[in-house]
Amino acid sequence: GAGVSQSPRYKVAKRGQDVALRCDPISGHVSLFWYQQALGQGPEFLTYFQNEAQLDKSGLPSDRFFAERPEGSVSTLKIQRTQQEDSAVYLCASSLVVGNNSPLHFGNGTRLTVT
Amino acid sequence: AQKITQTQPGMFVQEKEAVTLDCTYDTSDPSYGLFWYKQPSSGEMIFLIYQGSYDQQNATEGRYSLNFQKARKSANLVISASQLGDSAMYFCAMRDRYALNFGKGTSLLVTP
Repeated sequence: GAGVSQSPRYKVAKRGQDVALRCDPISGHVSLFWYQQALGQGPEFLTYFQNEAQLDKSGLPSDRFFAERPEGSVSTLKIQRTQQEDSAVYLCASSLVVGNNSPLHFGNGTRLTVT
Repeated sequence: AQKITQTQPGMFVQEKEAVTLDCTYDTSDPSYGLFWYKQPSSGEMIFLIYQGSYDQQNATEGRYSLNFQKARKSANLVISASQLGDSAMYFCAMRDRYALNFGKGTSLLVTP
């Protein structure tokens, strides 16, 4: 596809369940980012990959959050033992290169609701 | 640490009028990039416009332009000839090494 694709679009999980969110970046894009967006807020950085290497995971809120990109393309964000405070929209973005003038291209996001 | 501030939680504008959305930033880096994104109710973040700190001219992209005042550390987005489809959240962002740091956003409502 032409853009960043995320699935599922919506996810409802019971507290304590594990969830996996998928991101398919634009083909050939080296850099991949995950963001968390709470209601009424701007996106907050979670983690960054350059190809398959996770270069920064400083934004992950707890050790229940785990991200991978094993072949340098598709990425998965996993949240273990979900809590209500994990309810948010999770946005994935990719860019061809990383430079001052390179915009991030975002997917539509996955809206996670933890009940 | 870098910081982006958007002080207008909500704005109204009448169709065909121009509107300015404010953004101020704080950084000690001499080289930086500023971005504006639009987020309609569908949720996707749409890239609108970019301004580099060393760019000599204010950036323009169609109906979007940036009023970049480096000494004041402001990068306001100007939307000319507003359309109903411009109703959305607008976010200002600054690149921090590789990722973007976003402000809290401004909700714009365009009325007929």
